[in-house]
Amino acid sequence: QKEVEQNSGPLSVPEGAIASLNCTYSDRGSQSFFWYRQYSGKSPELIMFIYSNGDKEDGRFTAQLNKASQYVSLLIRDSQPSDSATYLCAAYNAGNNRKLIWGLGTSLAVNP
Amino acid sequence: SQTIHQWPATLVQPVGSPLSLECTVEGTSNPNLYWYRQAAGRGLQLLFYSVGIGQISSEVPQNLSASRPQDRQFILSSKKLLLSDSGFYLCAWSLQGGYTFGSGTRLTVV
Repeated sequence: QKEVEQNSGPLSVPEGAIASLNCTYSDRGSQSFFWYRQYSGKSPELIMFIYSNGDKEDGRFTAQLNKASQYVSLLIRDSQPSDSATYLCAAYNAGNNRKLIWGLGTSLAVNP
Repeated sequence: SQTIHQWPATLVQPVGSPLSLECTVEGTSNPNLYWYRQAAGRGLQLLFYSVGIGQISSEVPQNLSASRPQDRQFILSSKKLLLSDSGFYLCAWSLQGGYTFGSGTRLTVV
């Protein structure tokens, strides 16, 4: 069964620190990976996606992908209290009827 | 730009009553459309997805149904709601991989 696993947390970091969120996936055919942020009571919103091995940076966010280890991570630099949310990782395989496989999410708390 | 509309935002319905949630997408053609449910403290559960008009795939057996009468319209329905149908219902669309979600409907069945 295709799975995406995340540590549920909560992950607690002080304001200004780097938050590191991790995700592993089981489907080696997964082609791209997505990070979503979900505030309590709101719908998920896309932060970043990555499909090539290595790092991809967008502002304070860096996504990292290692296909050999089937590992994806999201780094948030200079964490702010407004980053406190649940972060969802998802894997995409075009051969899977274009459905995303979702992790259960990691809860992040950034403490002022 | 593409937008997705979902309504209502909140809904309280008695057990046994019918349900109709609507989702529409603007600014794109022939998107894949999805209905998800997220129970309190739980992950995203895919309920239905559609790759085109009239094409519906069901992921889990349940008393819900979905229809896609138009390219950019996706409807989630039930004839008789159960208590277990309570949750946060999310519509999403995609073209290539990543999803864009609507704002969601919080359904409470009482």
